[in-house]
Amino acid sequence: ETGVTQTPRHLVMGMTNKKSLKCEQHLGHNAMYWYKQSAKKPLELMFVYSLEERVENNSVPSRFSPECPNSSHLFLHLHTLQPEDSALYLCASSQGLEDRSFYGYTFGSGTRLTVV
Amino acid sequence: AQSVTQLGSHVSVSEGALVLLRCNYSSSVPPYLFWYVQYPNQGLQLLLKYTTGATLVKGINGFEAEFKKSETSFHLTKPSAHMSDAAEYFCAVLFPYGGSQGNLIFGKGTKLSVKP
Repeated sequence: ETGVTQTPRHLVMGMTNKKSLKCEQHLGHNAMYWYKQSAKKPLELMFVYSLEERVENNSVPSRFSPECPNSSHLFLHLHTLQPEDSALYLCASSQGLEDRSFYGYTFGSGTRLTVV
Repeated sequence: AQSVTQLGSHVSVSEGALVLLRCNYSSSVPPYLFWYVQYPNQGLQLLLKYTTGATLVKGINGFEAEFKKSETSFHLTKPSAHMSDAAEYFCAVLFPYGGSQGNLIFGKGTKLSVKP
């Protein structure tokens, strides 16, 4: 267990469904991130939250909607996804935006999403 | 543009042989450098990192990497491969300054196979 827990581990959803991915960390970190990992592509940073405020959104389609209710929890709400959105979604956390240079990120195990 | 390149998407070595995974970055400013490992169906685990100080850094599981500014490289090595080293390895860079300030930028990954 890495300290960052993601649920569910696997998710299959239809294009008209609404689902949510959950990420939880109890490491005392103040920054959290969503990454998308697709086959044969580099990891793509989707969202960055610091102290529960979104500080970066890398041109992600609006069908992905993040939520960070507190510094320990991060959600990714999904609706009307496309098959090309099928990927491994990774959550990560770091001690803070200022500290991440030195301490790096702690990653969860990911949610394997399949859109049918 | 700032980027990171991993040479070779697949590397295969025999058990006991030297492991060498290559990583080069493109930037006029030396970044902070990281190597992560991903085992099947798992998230990313930090192997080692370079921020400042000694250019040869040692990580977990017997891996080490050397930062060479003149070659803009941060290659990962291990003297003797074990079967358990079979995984995908990601080089990542973090630029403390500029437009991508503080965000990890990943290479495409190198899948390491270890033959008995």
